[in-house]
Amino acid sequence: GAVVSQHPSWVICKSGTSVKIECRSLDFQATTMFWYRQFPKQSLMLMATSNEGSKATYEQGVEKDKFLINHASLTLSTLTVTSAHPEDSSFYICSALVTGIYEQYFGPGTRLTVT
Amino acid sequence: DAKTTQPTSMDCAEGRAANLPCNHSTISGNEYVYWYRQIHSQGPQYIIHGLKNNETNEMASLIITEDRKSSTLILPHATLRDTAVYYCIVPGAAGNNRKLIWGLGTSLAVNP
Repeated sequence: GAVVSQHPSWVICKSGTSVKIECRSLDFQATTMFWYRQFPKQSLMLMATSNEGSKATYEQGVEKDKFLINHASLTLSTLTVTSAHPEDSSFYICSALVTGIYEQYFGPGTRLTVT
Repeated sequence: DAKTTQPTSMDCAEGRAANLPCNHSTISGNEYVYWYRQIHSQGPQYIIHGLKNNETNEMASLIITEDRKSSTLILPHATLRDTAVYYCIVPGAAGNNRKLIWGLGTSLAVNP
């Protein structure tokens, strides 16, 4: 089946630094990837839709200059949290849309803690 | 996107069938119903989806009512590893890049 990986699985960083999270589709090509954020005991919140070769589409209220998304190839999308602050601490999850099939396959998530 | 309503939580005994209901009364004719689940601290996992016919795969069965206003996900023989939050989602018609809007889902506890 379709496998999506994320790296790192967890990261701790100091306030003010930037963190890059990678999302890879391992055995298929994904023209569209999604980035979500999930706070404790809450549901997933869609942050942005990432299309290969074009600019990401951000959901309302998500700062595009703070959460930089790059989808440079059909198997890799990256999310960079710039100038991270403690309130950015969350579980970040990516998913990939299999071309021609409409279910999304999710990565295992990245736990970000900003101290 | 059609709104879905699910019970907040459910319990099920190990080995028994778990029946998880979902209401989607505003669903339109060409919208699919998707089910995902999320085990604690993991990414969501796709389970099954359907349009109007009942569907079955190795994980579960999906029963959709004839008027399509509700559906039931059935885990035929629940195990402890099925303890998770189950989400029923109607993503909307084609053309919206299949954005998924997540509610709070049903927290299923499978008890020994």
